[in-house]
Amino acid sequence: QQQVKQSPQSLIVQKGGISIINCAYENTAFDYFPWYQQFPGKGPALLIAIRPDVSEKKEGRFTISFNKSAKQFSLHIMDSQPGDSATYFCAASRGSNYQLIWGAGTKLIIKP
Amino acid sequence: DVKVTQSSRYLVKRTGEKVFLECVQDMDHENMFWYRQDPGLGLRLIYFSYDVKMKEKGDIPEGYSVSREKKERFSLILESASTNQTSMYLCASSSVYTEAFFGQGTRLTVV
Repeated sequence: QQQVKQSPQSLIVQKGGISIINCAYENTAFDYFPWYQQFPGKGPALLIAIRPDVSEKKEGRFTISFNKSAKQFSLHIMDSQPGDSATYFCAASRGSNYQLIWGAGTKLIIKP
Repeated sequence: DVKVTQSSRYLVKRTGEKVFLECVQDMDHENMFWYRQDPGLGLRLIYFSYDVKMKEKGDIPEGYSVSREKKERFSLILESASTNQTSMYLCASSSVYTEAFFGQGTRLTVV
């Protein structure tokens, strides 16, 4: 019940396209769903996060879509750029500062 | 600027050695975490601490121990390093009001 399943494992998108990464969770007690971005040689950094009281959150080109009934959430990157090439992790927790349960990560490559 | 600093970027150790990985945060965060990151497995929690001298096991604590004598410092100890502990190790800290901030990672190779 603690798992967070992330897909795809890797993704190649043309510059200017839309990148979509999906996550599914099981524990209905989770109430905080962040996405982290990690560049090679760096630690992950928070990109955007959502709580289940809203179905969508947008920050610039990055949008989280949240489907509470399906227990799924996804990251959409609009107008994808080569600088977005990174590994993306979804996560979930009860509360924003408690133990995060992590997805396995998606390596995103944006082709110029 | 928020900072989590890990003492080494790269380490090479021999099998059976005792290994210390140090992490320091300058944000006065209560919570500190040690993860290991392996391809296809994401981040797996080794240990975490919610307060000084307090520690709790994560998902994969076997072969590791931790120490938190001061609020800003959280150490990960490999009592007797083995080759299956070759990995990227990430330290993070957070508080009641903030998300987790990560260090740059330590790539440990055990030979």
